[in-house]
Amino acid sequence: SQQGEEDPQALSIQEGENATMNCSYKTSINNLQWYRQNSGRGLVHLILIRSNEREKHSGRLRVTLDTSKKSSSLLITASRAADTASYFCATESSSNTGKLIFGQGTTLQVKP
Amino acid sequence: EPEVTQTPSHQVTQMGQEVILRCVPISNHLYFYWYRQILGQKVEFLVSFYNNEISEKSEIFDDQFSVERPDGSNFTLKIRSTKLEDSAMYFCASSGEDGAGQYFGPGTRLTVT
Repeated sequence: SQQGEEDPQALSIQEGENATMNCSYKTSINNLQWYRQNSGRGLVHLILIRSNEREKHSGRLRVTLDTSKKSSSLLITASRAADTASYFCATESSSNTGKLIFGQGTTLQVKP
Repeated sequence: EPEVTQTPSHQVTQMGQEVILRCVPISNHLYFYWYRQILGQKVEFLVSFYNNEISEKSEIFDDQFSVERPDGSNFTLKIRSTKLEDSAMYFCASSGEDGAGQYFGPGTRLTVT
């Protein structure tokens, strides 16, 4: 498997439900970042979690990081139709050059 | 809120032509990056740039590619002789010393015909 793989590849839920996306990676990291991308548009930075952090919250977003399992999860609570987008995790390695390695992403559809 | 900007939003060029993609990073950021995303594929790292030097470049970033910070605000990516397979969305990103993460521009869609 590749660095920064998301699971599931696609997720369809009803408005108001929670959405959970998972990301696994292989190498040691400085941090892990989650991004949102609406179709054909730019990448919006959602949240960054450092390697020494286990959980972080931002509004309706909750991110966890388990460095022993090399995995992270993104939880979106009380989803809205406007949350429909692709979500990517990106890992910054400990090489300190800032290089981000992206996964393939999870496509989230929130039905009104 | 400060943001990264990129121009043009869409560039169409013929194979073999040179293109320059322009980016204005967030003003107090010191680290600059280019990524690309071929349609339907994941975002790929091209190059990172700090203190007027390339910090790291990927295998994709061969001799046909170059980056420059010509003044205090712009950051450019030049492709000397474009190929069909260079068609992609190119994203510029920047980050600061606060370790808050990389912020991406809206992208330039490059179409090579």
